[in-house]
Amino acid sequence: QQPVQSPQAVILREGEDAVINCSSSKALYSVHWYRQKHGEAPVFLMILLKGGEQKGHEKISASFNEKKQQSSLYLTASQLSYSGTYFCGQTGGGTSYGKLTFGQGTILTVHP
Amino acid sequence: GAGVSQSPRYKVAKRGQDVALRCDPISGHVSLFWYQQALGQGPEFLTYFQNEAQLDKSGLPSDRFFAERPEGSVSTLKIQRTQQEDSAVYLCASSVFRDRGNGELFFGEGSRLTVL
Repeated sequence: QQPVQSPQAVILREGEDAVINCSSSKALYSVHWYRQKHGEAPVFLMILLKGGEQKGHEKISASFNEKKQQSSLYLTASQLSYSGTYFCGQTGGGTSYGKLTFGQGTILTVHP
Repeated sequence: GAGVSQSPRYKVAKRGQDVALRCDPISGHVSLFWYQQALGQGPEFLTYFQNEAQLDKSGLPSDRFFAERPEGSVSTLKIQRTQQEDSAVYLCASSVFRDRGNGELFFGEGSRLTVL
């Protein structure tokens, strides 16, 4: 079942903060975050694993509440380059190879 | 190149035609995924390969869709007798990881298929 993202769209001015949420109805093993710009490939942002481990290589942060089956992505001091569509993807406990089920996406627009 | 390469980038097919979409993953990546992305939606899983073995094809929408990765590197997604509902961007992704869900996926830019 597809995770649900909120909000569907966010408009910011440079320097403002935003939070994107991702909720699931099933038990999660991991949550992944990707950003996709129009016409381009989705780009990895972060993985949050059950048990608290996080892996990412951008200046962003995220949380993973296993009990509530929710994850949030925190974008602080936004830059123009942050604009794009953000997708969360989930893997369940029974998945042995990282098959991701993605949410419908959150469109983030950052204006000067 | 260093990234995942897909071809063609754009394909227009008449309804009923067969199409083949190619994916060249990052060298050494064990895992390869195909996803379908409709306009304004998130990617939807189609199939997964670990080396040359197709371990999961549960997302393929019909028996008109077929994927292969015969030598464990390049993969081809074939769609037979294309229908208008097949119009979408087909994304390929690869990963060095083979187990669990803790690996970063590297996506290609996709092949945009339009069926007239």
